[in-house]
Amino acid sequence: GQSLEQPSEVTAVEGAIVQINCTYQTSGFYGLSWYQQHDGGAPTFLSYNALDGLEETGRFSSFLSRSDSYGYLLLQELQMKDSASYFCAVRSTTNDYKLSFGAGTTVTVRA
Amino acid sequence: EADIYQTPRYLVIGTGKKITLECSQTMGHDKMYWYQQDPGMELHLIHYSYGVNSTEKGDLSSESTVSRIRTEHFPLTLESARPSHTSQYLCASSESSGGYNEQFFGPGTRLTVL
Repeated sequence: GQSLEQPSEVTAVEGAIVQINCTYQTSGFYGLSWYQQHDGGAPTFLSYNALDGLEETGRFSSFLSRSDSYGYLLLQELQMKDSASYFCAVRSTTNDYKLSFGAGTTVTVRA
Repeated sequence: EADIYQTPRYLVIGTGKKITLECSQTMGHDKMYWYQQDPGMELHLIHYSYGVNSTEKGDLSSESTVSRIRTEHFPLTLESARPSHTSQYLCASSESSGGYNEQFFGPGTRLTVL
């Protein structure tokens, strides 16, 4: 099966940088995704990494190291609206290409 | 506008009632999914479908059932609701590309069974 670990909570001030780590265990790794969810609403896609390295999308970046089974989401220039839960999700070639989600990291941004 | 819809958004119902949660998408996606999520917890896949007349159980055992008679429609049914079914149910869809699998989520149905 798949298992993912990420911190449960992170608190930071506006303008700061936050890094959310995600370690995973899976067979037949295909890729790692990140989703954002505000107050239990609809999760929305942020990024996807299938190869090692950094993917940058505006203030958010995502990194993957396949050899370390590790990835992170980097939130820069934090804004109040970034207060949300962030989930990493792994896609495995041995699991019919479904997504398995981590427990989520709640990010709280303070003024 | 292409989107994914869920109704009802909130439902409070008594034990033993039969309920159907509706999910429709206008993006033409073949793959659709149902997730169950308790507050502050991860999403658990309970059902998925790869196309019309295709339904599969997910990773989390669920007493609910699903059907996929039309591409755009993927309803979830509970024959006899119980308090243990109280949760949020999220529907999602994605394309059938062989690569990356971005899933688009509906707003969810918050179910409370008394």
